[in-house]
Amino acid sequence: AQSVTQLDSQVPVFEEAPVELRCNYSSSVSVYLFWYVQYPNQGLQLLLKYLSGSTLVKGINGFEAEFNKSQTSFHLRKPSVHISDTAEYFCAVSDRDTGNQFYFGTGTSLTVIP
Amino acid sequence: GAVVSQHPSWVICKSGTSVKIECRSLDFQATTMFWYRQFPKQSLMLMATSNEGSKATYEQGVEKDKFLINHASLTLSTLTVTSAHPEDSSFYICSARDFSLAGGLDEQFFGPGTRLTVL
Repeated sequence: AQSVTQLDSQVPVFEEAPVELRCNYSSSVSVYLFWYVQYPNQGLQLLLKYLSGSTLVKGINGFEAEFNKSQTSFHLRKPSVHISDTAEYFCAVSDRDTGNQFYFGTGTSLTVIP
Repeated sequence: GAVVSQHPSWVICKSGTSVKIECRSLDFQATTMFWYRQFPKQSLMLMATSNEGSKATYEQGVEKDKFLINHASLTLSTLTVTSAHPEDSSFYICSARDFSLAGGLDEQFFGPGTRLTVL
């Protein structure tokens, strides 16, 4: 089974500053990778996904992530954050070897400071 | 895009009663739906995988007699929390797969969640 680690539980950052949210997973064999955002009392919204091809993936709201197979990482980045980016962010891995079951990280709470 | 709805969005009930939560795929057919539970400030924990027309597969530690799952059609799965107690209070989120997407994309689409509070 996969394990997904989000190294930072809370990330405060000033508005218009860049941010990186880190995600590592246990095995790079046959996986799809996802980042989701969750606003309070809401479900998950897909930010971006990596399935194959280019390792740099661009998503909605100006976010991007890079798949690094050797480091088994899929860090999320944004060059300039807005107040509206304040939310909980979850990294997820879909493991094709276990019927594409999703494994979620513990989440990173991003707080953008005005 | 694929849309998944949940009903109700929030529910408050007395201890000992049963609560049913519906998960619907609005614009696609979902042969597989998933039910997750999320405690405050924590990640999503998979409870069970629901397959249309067959019994659900429960994760270890999830009581199948307490959390009844029915996937009677390709667009509807229900989770019934039987004899609910305060410790069952949580945020329940469903998701669904759309295997019809091009390339066999195996993405899960999430519902907005249901907040259950048991008094």
